[in-house]
Parts: sequence; C-alpha cells; structure tokens
Amino acid sequence: GNSVTQMEGPVTLSEEAFLTINCTYTATGYPSLFWYVQYPGEGLQLLLKATKADDKGSNKGFEATYRKETTSFHLEKGSVQVSDSAVYFCALTSNYGGSQGNLIFGKGTKLSVKP
Amino acid sequence: DTEVTQTPKHLVMGMTNKKSLKCEQHMGHRAMYWYKQKAKKPPELMFVYSYEKLSINESVPSRFSPECPNSSLLNLHLHALQPEDSALYLCASSQSARTGASYEQYFGPGTRLTVT
Repeated sequence: GNSVTQMEGPVTLSEEAFLTINCTYTATGYPSLFWYVQYPGEGLQLLLKATKADDKGSNKGFEATYRKETTSFHLEKGSVQVSDSAVYFCALTSNYGGSQGNLIFGKGTKLSVKP
Repeated sequence: DTEVTQTPKHLVMGMTNKKSLKCEQHMGHRAMYWYKQKAKKPPELMFVYSYEKLSINESVPSRFSPECPNSSLLNLHLHALQPEDSALYLCASSQSARTGASYEQYFGPGTRLTVT
C-alpha cells in the first residue's frame, strides 16, 4: 500500500540555521508529493508540491525535489526563522487504484526555531 | 483565492447535544473532505464528497453525519458524541477526487471540538 515516512521530531534549530526534514514514500504508480505546514492552533497550509519525477517544488524559501530513484521528497530551507516554527507534514496522493486521490500523510515533524 | 472557511472555530458540547460544523469554499472545487485530527497526529480522513455525492466513508461511527447541500458547502452533523471525539475537525477541498487523478487539497482552519 501507499505510505509516507518522515523523520521523527522534534527538531530544534537556531535562527538562520539550515533545515532538512527527510521524507520517503512507498506508492504504486506515479504519486504527487506535498509538504503541508501547520502553525500552532491552525489548519494545514499547502507549502509546496511536485507532481512528477525531478520536479522541484518551492515556496517561502523552502524547497523539495521529487526523487523517484530514492523515493524521497526531502524538505530544505537555507536559513530558518523563528516564524517557521510549526509542524511539517509530508504527504502523497496516488493516481492509481481506488484511493481517489486521498492524501496519505507522514506522522509530522515538529520544528522549533530559537532566536 | 484558495480559502476554505469553517465555523465555528471552537465548540464545546455535551454528550446529549446535537450540533453542526460548517465548511465553505468558493474555488469551484468538486471534492470536499472531513478530517479528524488528534493532538500530535496527522489528520485522519473521515468522509469524501465527490460532485456532491458521498464517495468515501472511512468506517466513521453514525454519530457523525455528513451532508453536502451544494458544491460549495459541507456540513458535519454531530449527535451523542463521546469525550474521545474531542479533536480538531478539518475540512478540505480539491479540484476533483476521481480515480486516476490527484490534486492538492486546501484546508480550512478547523473547528476545535470539546465533548464534555
């Protein structure tokens, strides 16, 4: 079946540090991959997406590249800010089978950025 | 505009009450979703509506009753809930939910439900 595995948190960084949150997936067919962010007390916001191999999604300084050969979609940011403190979810939708585009989430990684 | 709105933001209800959660989107999306999210967990899918018809019910207890009055609105009717149903309830929408396609979902801010 389809699944997403992402690194366990929490991750604590100092402001301006480099961020990597690892995400790997298992899926049939050709999934679309997403990163969602959830700030405290809020819903999920779509951060970025990639729909085919070698696509790079980017937004607000965050980037992730769809790597089919390693089934990975790692999230990176060159210089984090305190305002980036949130929970980050890696997710996929598969266009095969009866899942009808349902989102499959990783467990989430909590990021805390200290001034 | 990628906004999904949900009301109320917070809800406290007793186990004998009946209440409803509301969700609205004006993006022309034809798929709408209800999720339940417990603390420190990812969202769990409850229901999917595709073209205003219920297409997925993830074995949700009958005390949760979804309704899709039109393509922009989604309700979740609550009756005789249990304390363990306390959670953040998220609504989402996407362009479509048909097999063979995959589209990003846009989430609302959620309703924080507490059952006493």
